[in-house]
Amino acid sequence: SQQGEEDPQALSIQEGENATMNCSYKTSINNLQWYRQNSGRGLVHLILIRSNEREKHSGRLRVTLDTSKKSSSLLITASRAADTASYFCATDHSGGSNYKLTFGKGTLLTVNP
Amino acid sequence: NAGVTQTPKFQVLKTGQSMTLQCAQDMNHEYMSWYRQDPGMGLRLIHYSVGAGITDQGEVPNGYNVSRSTTEDFPLRLLSAAPSQTSVYFCAIGTSGYNEQFFGPGTRLTVL
Repeated sequence: SQQGEEDPQALSIQEGENATMNCSYKTSINNLQWYRQNSGRGLVHLILIRSNEREKHSGRLRVTLDTSKKSSSLLITASRAADTASYFCATDHSGGSNYKLTFGKGTLLTVNP
Repeated sequence: NAGVTQTPKFQVLKTGQSMTLQCAQDMNHEYMSWYRQDPGMGLRLIHYSVGAGITDQGEVPNGYNVSRSTTEDFPLRLLSAAPSQTSVYFCAIGTSGYNEQFFGPGTRLTVL
């Protein structure tokens, strides 16, 4: 079964607005990652947050992690049309291999010019 | 430096046919894995390898075989294709101490 569930399934915003996507997971993790997938392409790693971290920034990306609620959020600020893509969270389980990632179903983000 | 390459890009099979999806890397990463992605779904792990000669099953291994004779290559074999195996297949690589995985461009497989 899949570990992560993203919310919402789809999000449509205007260029310049912020986009927030959420991810919930079921069991304890070592790390949580976010990936982006452009239509018809492979996944590209965006950012990783460790289980002992609460917030991380990378450029226009901000990720938070709440291990007590087993949830994470990805915020993209000042969105651009080029941010249009599907976004997936991926977790690796505590006690398991950090190579074995479990992915959520993704959020489809559309940024309208 | 191509990273991760996958061949073919597209393939159509008839039920019962066999084929091998190829994955090759030039980054000398020890970890390689195969995922499938179905419409509206995330990726599900099929098989993975932590080094040459070592393979293990993921979440959805049935109907697929793998082997890892070299660091560079990790082929995925479908012995008798079924329509349920219609999907997009992604190969990914990784290395210890660095959790990011690098994905190939994918193979789109249709089984009729």
